[in-house]
Amino acid sequence: QQQVKQSPQSLIVQKGGIPIINCAYENTAFDYFPWYQQFPGKGPALLIAIRPDVSEKKEGRFTISFNKSAKQFSLHIMDSQPGDSATYFCAASRNSNYQLIWGAGTKLIIKP
Amino acid sequence: NAGVTQTPKFRILKIGQSMTLQCAQDMNHNYMYWYRQDPGMGLKLIYYSVGAGITDKGEVPNGYNVSRSTTEDFPLRLELAAPSQTSVYFCASSSSAYTQYFGPGTRLTVL
Repeated sequence: QQQVKQSPQSLIVQKGGIPIINCAYENTAFDYFPWYQQFPGKGPALLIAIRPDVSEKKEGRFTISFNKSAKQFSLHIMDSQPGDSATYFCAASRNSNYQLIWGAGTKLIIKP
Repeated sequence: NAGVTQTPKFRILKIGQSMTLQCAQDMNHNYMYWYRQDPGMGLKLIYYSVGAGITDKGEVPNGYNVSRSTTEDFPLRLELAAPSQTSVYFCASSSSAYTQYFGPGTRLTVL
């Protein structure tokens, strides 16, 4: 119940395409769903996050879609660029627990 | 404001040696975490702390120890290093249950 399942493991998209990364969870007590971006040789950094009271959140070219009934959320990158090539992690947490439950990560490559 | 700093950046250990990975944050965060990331894999929580003097085990604590004597510092101790501990180690901190801020990592190889 504590798991967050992330797919796909890797993804290759042409520049300008819209990569989509999906995550699913079981624990309905989760109330915060962030996405982290990690470039090679760097630590992960918060990209965008959503709470379950909204179905979508946009920040620039990045959008989280959230489906509470299906217990799924996804990251969409509009007009993807080679500079978006990185590993993306989804995660989940609840306010009463100070740990993030992490997905396994998706290695995204945007081809020029 | 340096954020989360980690030292060293790289280290090679021989089997059976010990070392301490240093982590410091200057954001006055109560919560601090140690993760390991194996090649092509996700993050696994080793230990975490909710404040000075309070630590708890994460998912993979065996072979490691931590201490938290101050809010700023959260060192990770490896005793009797083993090849299975070859990994990249990340320290993170947060002020709430939500956003975690990560350091640049320590790449450790045990031969």
